[in-house]
Amino acid sequence: AQTVTQSQPEMSVQEAETVTLSCTYDTSESDYYLFWYKQPPSRQMILVIRQEAYKQQNATENRFSVNFQKAAKSFSLKISDSQLGDAAMYFCAYRDYGGSQGNLIFGKGTKLSVKP
Amino acid sequence: GAVVSQHPSWVICKSGTSVKIECRSLDFQATTMFWYRQFPKQSLMLMATSNEGSKATYEQGVEKDKFLINHASLTLSTLTVTSAHPEDSSFYICSARGETGKSYNEQFFGPGTRLTVL
Repeated sequence: AQTVTQSQPEMSVQEAETVTLSCTYDTSESDYYLFWYKQPPSRQMILVIRQEAYKQQNATENRFSVNFQKAAKSFSLKISDSQLGDAAMYFCAYRDYGGSQGNLIFGKGTKLSVKP
Repeated sequence: GAVVSQHPSWVICKSGTSVKIECRSLDFQATTMFWYRQFPKQSLMLMATSNEGSKATYEQGVEKDKFLINHASLTLSTLTVTSAHPEDSSFYICSARGETGKSYNEQFFGPGTRLTVL
C-alpha cells in the first residue's frame, strides 16, 4: 500500500525568507500524482501544487516549487519569499495515475508558522 | 477551480440524534465524492468513496450503518451520522471529482462541517 510521510510536524520561517517542507512516499507504481495542499485556519483545503511522476521537470507555481526526486521517492515543497498568509498546515498527498483512479493519500501534515 | 459547498458549516446535536451533512458540487458534475474526517491537529482520514448511483465504498474501520452515505445525483452527496455520540464529534470534509476524459481529474474540497455532539 502507498504511504506518505512528513517528518516535520512543525516548521517556522521568517517573513520574506525561504522554507522547505519535506515529504517522502512509498509506492510500487511508476505513474502517479503528488500534491501539496494547504489548510489555513479556515480549514478549507487548497491545492498548492501538483506534480505528475512521469514529468522530470519540477512543478512551480509562483513562489511555490517542488523538488521531485523519483528514485528517492522524495517530494519537497519550497516556499520562497514567505508571507504571513502562508501560515497553515501543509499536507503532502499521493494519488494513483489515471483520471478515475484512486484516492488521495495524505501525510500527517506540517504546521508552518511565519514570523513577522 | 470548481466549487464544492457543504451544509451546514457547523452543527450541535444531542447524543442519540441523527445529523445529515450535504455536499454539493456547484458548477460541475461530480461522478465521485469522498468523505473525510479530521480530528484536531491531525490529517484527513478517508471514510468512504461514493460514485453516483451506486453504494459507497467504506474504508476499513468505518461503520457503514453509522455513517450513511448517499450519492443520488451528480451534484449532491449526503453523509448522515446516525445515533450520534460525543465520540463522533469531529470535522467532516467532503470532496468531489468529475470525469473529463482526461488522464487527470482534479479533486475539489468543500469547506467542511464541524459536528459537536453533546
